Amino acid sequence: SAVISQKPSRDICQRGTSLTIQCQVDSQVTMMFWYRQQPGQSLTLIATANQGSEATYESGFVIDKFPISRPNLTFSTLTVSNMSPEDSSIYLCSVEGLQGPETQYFGPGTRLLVL
Amino acid sequence: QQQVKQSPQSLIVQKGGISIINCAYENTAFDYFPWYQQFPGKGPALLIAIRPDVSEKKEGRFTISFNKSAKQFSLHIMDSQPGDSATYFCAASRPRLISNFGNEKLTFGTGTRLTIIP
Repeated sequence: SAVISQKPSRDICQRGTSLTIQCQVDSQVTMMFWYRQQPGQSLTLIATANQGSEATYESGFVIDKFPISRPNLTFSTLTVSNMSPEDSSIYLCSVEGLQGPETQYFGPGTRLLVL
Repeated sequence: QQQVKQSPQSLIVQKGGISIINCAYENTAFDYFPWYQQFPGKGPALLIAIRPDVSEKKEGRFTISFNKSAKQFSLHIMDSQPGDSATYFCAASRPRLISNFGNEKLTFGTGTRLTIIP
């Protein structure tokens, strides 16, 4: 499986500010995904990021709030903009596995607390 | 139709016992059913997965049982150990309709918090 790292691992931010989360993979992958997981809850897909194209957002998530970059096949960023306490959550990066595009592997997550 | 229902929400099993977590789905287009294991402070890790062409898949102490007609699948953990204490998520996905390659996004169940007691 791919080795996925995320930065920062956690952060505490003030409302109204923005945070950019980085996701780095040790191998080239076609598809990367960004998820949100609120404490004790399941995973909710924010968007799918393909290299060289605009990210595809799920219902309830918009580009202005969660802009995503995918400059190459090993890296992506998710920005959480104009944060409010409701954005406090774990943000997870995920990539498709080498065994097949249906498999997904997750990074360790970024724990965000907005005050 | 995209929903995956998971039960129980929490489960306590004695060490050495069998842990069973169940999931049910509605969308008959789903053709890939993975289970993820998540420890506190970590991202979910792919544990085991199954496709509908088989009714059971076993990897070590972990077994997926799949019932296509009932649209249900379950995870069995044999000889449960304290190190198995974690949150388990079932998921499902269907083939991509446009590119005809790979699957669409995963739909996750709500999770089961498993605690193995000595």
